Amino acid sequence: EAGVAQSPRYKIIEKRQSVAFWCNPISGHATLYWYQQILGQGPKLLIQFQNNGVVDDSQLPKDRFSAERLKGVDSTLKIQPAKLEDSAVYLCASSLVGTPYYGYTFGSGTRLTVV
Amino acid sequence: AQSVTQLGSHVSVSEGALVLLRCNYSSSVPPYLFWYVQYPNQGLQLLLKYTSAATLVKGINGFEAEFKKSETSFHLTKPSAHMSDAAEYFCAVTVWITGGGNKLTFGTGTQLKVEL
Repeated sequence: EAGVAQSPRYKIIEKRQSVAFWCNPISGHATLYWYQQILGQGPKLLIQFQNNGVVDDSQLPKDRFSAERLKGVDSTLKIQPAKLEDSAVYLCASSLVGTPYYGYTFGSGTRLTVV
Repeated sequence: AQSVTQLGSHVSVSEGALVLLRCNYSSSVPPYLFWYVQYPNQGLQLLLKYTSAATLVKGINGFEAEFKKSETSFHLTKPSAHMSDAAEYFCAVTVWITGGGNKLTFGTGTQLKVEL
């Protein structure tokens, strides 16, 4: 089966600019996650969708970050305006709904550098 | 809320030696536990997972982990290290929540270095 697709792979922007990341989960996976991984740290959940509804966005900095999942498939994560501390790898993951038994599949990530 | 602690941010072993990466978890309900590996500039690849079946879990690339409830541990081992095992390893935990949730919570990672 095809994996989780993410684009772009790399992005360099200046602070205060905006940026958007795209994720296409595995077909049939109703649950989609966006994680932020700062260099030297473990991934941290930003937002979780189940179909096109938000399950958990408690750690999403809502003053600058936004995310949507239209039609319960693809998702975009946006940052506006970006800060230096947003430099990180943004990972998208998907899973079958309802149970962690089958695990989670991660994309290759988007490496964001804010200068 | 559940959490994991990975002891040792850097571990160095000789090629052919035993690999032991430590992970302790905290959870008020039975956990699901995972080990992921991350190579430079790549995403996370699942090594193995514990889902309350067998306590000794075998994964890919010769890795295995044992769930020990009494010690709240889920350490990752490999009998003989290979140069290709050099990477960062993450332990993660989640729990079953009816109706949603199930987010993965990660440890801070252990960088494994394999020396000749």
